[in-house]
Amino acid sequence: IAGITQAPTSQILAAGRRMTLRCTQDMRHNAMYWYRQDLGLGLRLIHYSNTAGTTGKGEVPDGYSVSRANTDDFPLTLASAVPSQTSVYFCASSEEAVGHEQYFGPGTRLTVT
Amino acid sequence: GQNIDQPTEMTATEGAIVQINCTYQTSGFNGLFWYQQHAGEAPTFLSYNVLDGLEEKGRFSSFLSRSKGYSYLLLKELQMKDSASYLCAVMDSNYQLIWGAGTKLIIKP
Repeated sequence: IAGITQAPTSQILAAGRRMTLRCTQDMRHNAMYWYRQDLGLGLRLIHYSNTAGTTGKGEVPDGYSVSRANTDDFPLTLASAVPSQTSVYFCASSEEAVGHEQYFGPGTRLTVT
Repeated sequence: GQNIDQPTEMTATEGAIVQINCTYQTSGFNGLFWYQQHAGEAPTFLSYNVLDGLEEKGRFSSFLSRSKGYSYLLLKELQMKDSASYLCAVMDSNYQLIWGAGTKLIIKP
């Protein structure tokens, strides 16, 4: 693994279903983030983790949950998907939360029908 | 509220220079980032400014004026591969990045 990986690459999901988007980094970065990107809007932060064992809510956390059991992994779960969660989801990491650039995974394109 | 403004789209000619502006109003300031995003791909880091002035990195330069809430990204000697969206982001007082919607740059031969 080099950098950040995300799985799946794309997914079509029926409304009401539960889904977990996976994110793994091998750079030993302390901070990790989940964003969604919608056409015409800037990236919006869903949840973040400044270090393993801690998480925080971003701008648009409703309907999503995260966990950070270790440094490398930061899964994002949609408990009961709704069509408004159709988006491209990017996972990112940075060495520390402050003063460092964020590195992005390739993204997951999610369609909720 | 917090707001990042940048032009939606710009067009420039191969070999020329283009300046992409970004103005911001945020709760606190802990640095400004520029990212490049090609269609269908992830954003990649270009530059970081935390102090006023110009940062130069090859063909790309970024300028910051904190008193004016203003930054620009300058791209010189434009190449066709520079066709992409350019994203401006500001780190606010909660150390979270607030992102602009991006500027789509179209390069014509």
